[in-house]
This record gives sequence, structure tokens and C-alpha cells, in this order.
Amino acid sequence: DSGVTQTPKHLITATGQRVTLRCSPRSGDLSVYWYQQSLDQGLQFLIQYYNGEERAKGNILERFSAQQFPDLHSELNLSSLELGDSALYFCASSGAGTAWYNEQFFGPGTRLTVL
Amino acid sequence: DAKTTQPPSMDCAEGRAANLPCNHSTISGNEYVYWYRQIHSQGPQYIIHGLKNNETNEMASLIITEDRKSSTLILPHATLRDTAVYYCIVSNFGNEKLTFGTGTRLTIIP
Repeated sequence: DSGVTQTPKHLITATGQRVTLRCSPRSGDLSVYWYQQSLDQGLQFLIQYYNGEERAKGNILERFSAQQFPDLHSELNLSSLELGDSALYFCASSGAGTAWYNEQFFGPGTRLTVL
Repeated sequence: DAKTTQPPSMDCAEGRAANLPCNHSTISGNEYVYWYRQIHSQGPQYIIHGLKNNETNEMASLIITEDRKSSTLILPHATLRDTAVYYCIVSNFGNEKLTFGTGTRLTIIP
């Protein structure tokens, strides 16, 4: 158990819909990262937040947005969903924004299926 | 970040040492080598990291060549639970995003 929790575990929805994925980082971790894992693209970094502020952006679509709240939990919002958004979405957290090495702790993931 | 090359798959007998190679010939001086693994569809798990010296922890050993262009992750006594996809990642100091390649699918054979 990494200490990172994600809800829900599974989500099935239809094209065009909007969903919110939730992540609670390990206690004390200020950084939260979101990754997407699909069959054709592998594991891809989407976005990072550090203590409520966006810190780094990866291959995140404009239809996707994220935020980190004062209690440090984070939400990833996916809108106008397409079939290709079906994937595993992982959240990870780490201990400090300026960590000299990059140990990230991953949650169990949310499996999103868009029908 | 430097690109890495790993064999797509490997087998190892249970109880033997599993040696997973990674080529990172374009690595620069301030880039670290990290290893993560992903068991089935679980979240990736950190294993070990290094800069230029060999490293060992309770999970594995990391051997980095003197020119730093390649490295080997060693699982000393592989068990069935070590069956996973192993990712070698090279990343800059201060760059916190992880760029995963395709990794090596390691299968431990009973």
C-alpha cells in the first residue's frame, strides 16, 4: 500500500460526458502527479501540482483539467469524453517539490471506460 | 530527458538473479537513472535510483557502467511476485515528471 488513494476504482460513462477523478496523496506529500495509461500510448505524464499550484504540464488535452485543494487532495476533470480517453488514470505523490531524487508513490488507479 | 532502450521481454527462473539491462547512451552528467516496476495493472512502484555509483537497497541492486551509458538492475533472488514490467527512466535533477518508455516485461518461471 503506497498510501495514495484514488476514487473511484472503476468508472463507466458515455461519450460526451464529464467525470471527476479524485486523489488523496500520502500524508505530508505536497506534490501530486497525474498519469494516463492507455494500451496504445503507454504511461504518460499529464500534469503536476505542488502545494496547490500547477508546476509542470505534460501531454494533457485541453478537455482535461486538474486542481489541488488546500487539503492537498487533487481532482482530475475530464470533459467531452471520447472513446480514446478510456484508460487507467494514476495519481502519484512525492515528498517535496524540490526533491533531489524522484521517488513517486502511485495510487491504485482509476479505470475509465468510455462507451 | 535522455532516451532509454530496454529489451521488450525477459524470462528468469525462480530463485535465480534477474538482470535487466538498460541503455541510455545519451545520458548527461546531471541525469539520474531510476527504476520503477508495474505489477499487472497496479500503480508503478519505485525500486531504486543512482547517479554514477552502484546502489543497493532491500529490493535490488543497480549497476551503472563507468561511462554511464548503460545500467543493469539486479533482482538477486527472483520470486514469482517479481513478474512485472520494469521501467528504466533517466531524468534530470529537479525534473520531477517521469517519462516512461515501454519497459521490459519480466516473467519469473517456476
